[in-house]
Amino acid sequence: NAGVTQTPKFQVLKTGQSMTLQCAQDMNHEYMSWYRQDPGMGLRLIHYSVGAGITDQGEVPNGYNVSRSTTEDFPLRLLSAAPSQTSVYFCASSYSGLAGIEQYFGPGTRLTVT
Amino acid sequence: GESVGLHLPTLSVQEGDNSIINCAYSNSASDYFIWYKQESGKGPQFIIDIRSNMDKRQGQRVTVLLNKTVKHLSLQIAATQPGDSAVYFCAEKGSSNTGKLIFGQGTTLQVKP
Repeated sequence: NAGVTQTPKFQVLKTGQSMTLQCAQDMNHEYMSWYRQDPGMGLRLIHYSVGAGITDQGEVPNGYNVSRSTTEDFPLRLLSAAPSQTSVYFCASSYSGLAGIEQYFGPGTRLTVT
Repeated sequence: GESVGLHLPTLSVQEGDNSIINCAYSNSASDYFIWYKQESGKGPQFIIDIRSNMDKRQGQRVTVLLNKTVKHLSLQIAATQPGDSAVYFCAEKGSSNTGKLIFGQGTTLQVKP
């Protein structure tokens, strides 16, 4: 198993550009989520999904869209990038959302918006 | 609102000593807590977890203690090794089953040889 994979690893965008961060998992996990991590801070939840076709907002959803058309993929879209979105983005997945079920994290995408 | 925070941003210990990393949480309804380790340039990696019906859980060289009375969580690492150098995060899961985790700010553990 590859686990949780994210592409790209690095990305530089200009203000106003759009892009999609890709996340895929091959563990047949129901639950997937996106976090952002800023310097000196913990991870903050952006959006999450408890299964294909179901998504919901996390702590900091503004400026981001998600969809979950398949169990494996959970892309994160930035429609109009802003410098405040400069961050490291992590995708995570787990078998379910229940307590005690370990979440696996991808390696991250480092995004810079100029 | 809910929050999870860490008391010390950086902890420096001598190789071979024990390390204790602390965490405070504010949501008394949280029923599950996790410690993650994050090495430079990598995603967080699960270390150990504990449910709210327990006050202690031990793993290999690590122990998590939960004090619900004062809403405090700690991670103890025995015989700290250079490979333990990383940022450590505590996270809590609320009482819902949505899988949402709330992370603390993180503590950097530096192990001196």
